[in-house]
Amino acid sequence: GQNIDQPTEMTATEGAIVQINCTYQTSGFNGLFWYQQHAGEAPTFLSYNVLDGLEEKGRFSSFLSRSKGYSYLLLKELQMKDSASYLCAPMDSNYQLIWGAGTKLIIKP
Amino acid sequence: GAVVSQHPSWVICKSGTSVKIECRSLDFQATTMFWYRQFPKQSLMLMATSNEGSKATYEQGVEKDKFLINHASLTLSTLTVTSAHPEDSSFYICSARDPSTGQDTGELFFGEGSRLTVL
Repeated sequence: GQNIDQPTEMTATEGAIVQINCTYQTSGFNGLFWYQQHAGEAPTFLSYNVLDGLEEKGRFSSFLSRSKGYSYLLLKELQMKDSASYLCAPMDSNYQLIWGAGTKLIIKP
Repeated sequence: GAVVSQHPSWVICKSGTSVKIECRSLDFQATTMFWYRQFPKQSLMLMATSNEGSKATYEQGVEKDKFLINHASLTLSTLTVTSAHPEDSSFYICSARDPSTGQDTGELFFGEGSRLTVL
């Protein structure tokens, strides 16, 4: 079956760095997305990885290892507004995104 | 990035009534749109794929007669929850890909979501 595994909740301090890990199992693979979702709002796109390695975009970076079925999202210089859920969503052979419940990130002053 | 707009953002209705939610792609044409439902603290659940000019493709377990989807133009898809009941109360979100960024692999752009409460 298809499966996503992320921590349910993480806590970090403003200004610090946090890494959110994601392991996945899918039927085929066409890349992996990370989305941010604030409470009561729709998800917004953060990153897309299809090749192994690190993609850096400002304070956010995303890493992918296809052989390990593993990805992480790295958030630097954390700000209070980064408090949100972070959704790891791999895309299967049918180009369908597989959604997990996400990781709720709590930022403390 | 591309813009997807959803309306209404909030809707409260009585049990047994029908509710229509609209999803529009504002600056691109979307031959395919996706409708999701999300319960509190749970993952997005794909309900159906809306195809312009043809019937929607429903996921297993989603009642097509209850959740009517119409994709009459390249910029508009509608979801109608028929004979709504309290258990249909949820957050409904539509999304679409901008074909110029990749028909299959481009990022999904989401509407703002519609929170439905059925009394």
